Amino acid sequence: GAGVSQSPRYKVAKRGQDVALRCDPISGHVSLFWYQQALGQGPEFLTYFQNEAQLDKSGLPSDRFFAERPEGSVSTLKIQRTQQEDSAVYLCASSSQGGNSYNEQFFGPGTRLTVL
Amino acid sequence: DAKTTQPNSMESNEEEPVHLPCNHSTISGTDYIHWYRQLPSQGPEYVIHGLTSNVNNRMASLAIAEDRKSSTLILHRATLRDAAVYYCILRDSNSGYALNFGKGTSLLVTP
Repeated sequence: GAGVSQSPRYKVAKRGQDVALRCDPISGHVSLFWYQQALGQGPEFLTYFQNEAQLDKSGLPSDRFFAERPEGSVSTLKIQRTQQEDSAVYLCASSSQGGNSYNEQFFGPGTRLTVL
Repeated sequence: DAKTTQPNSMESNEEEPVHLPCNHSTISGTDYIHWYRQLPSQGPEYVIHGLTSNVNNRMASLAIAEDRKSSTLILHRATLRDAAVYYCILRDSNSGYALNFGKGTSLLVTP
């Protein structure tokens, strides 16, 4: 079956540009997560949605980062006025039930963002 | 979240067993032990998880120490496709929806 998909797979932006990264979770999955992975590091949590509600955005690094999931399915991560330190792989994951300690998270392939 | 400690890298020969260690001396009674792995240029994928008892699935086995302060992920016969970064993650049963990956162990499998 279809897994988590993300688009674009690669994005190059000039410093100061706005970017939008899309995540299509597995159909019917309630929970959706965004992670940021810098080169050579493990992924770091950014934000969590349960259906359309953003329950945790504590990992967003600045107010330039904004995520939404208006209809409880597709999600978009938007970064305004991109900076070089935003260069990373952005990973989306979904889970079939509400967030808890044992539900498996299914990850997409990520979007590699390079800010010049 | 309680922290985990893993070796930075390990190496194995193809078709031999691999034991990947993880220390978590500050684990609490409500923490589940999860393992994910990340193949090159891919997103992480779930491998296995457990609470107290050893666990087996089609991918691997998880051996948990009796005091739960350490665990070992066992790949019974490593293949070249198993070359990846392996992450040992603790998730609290009350609030552990986010995965705290750390740096993981980079496993190299040689023919």
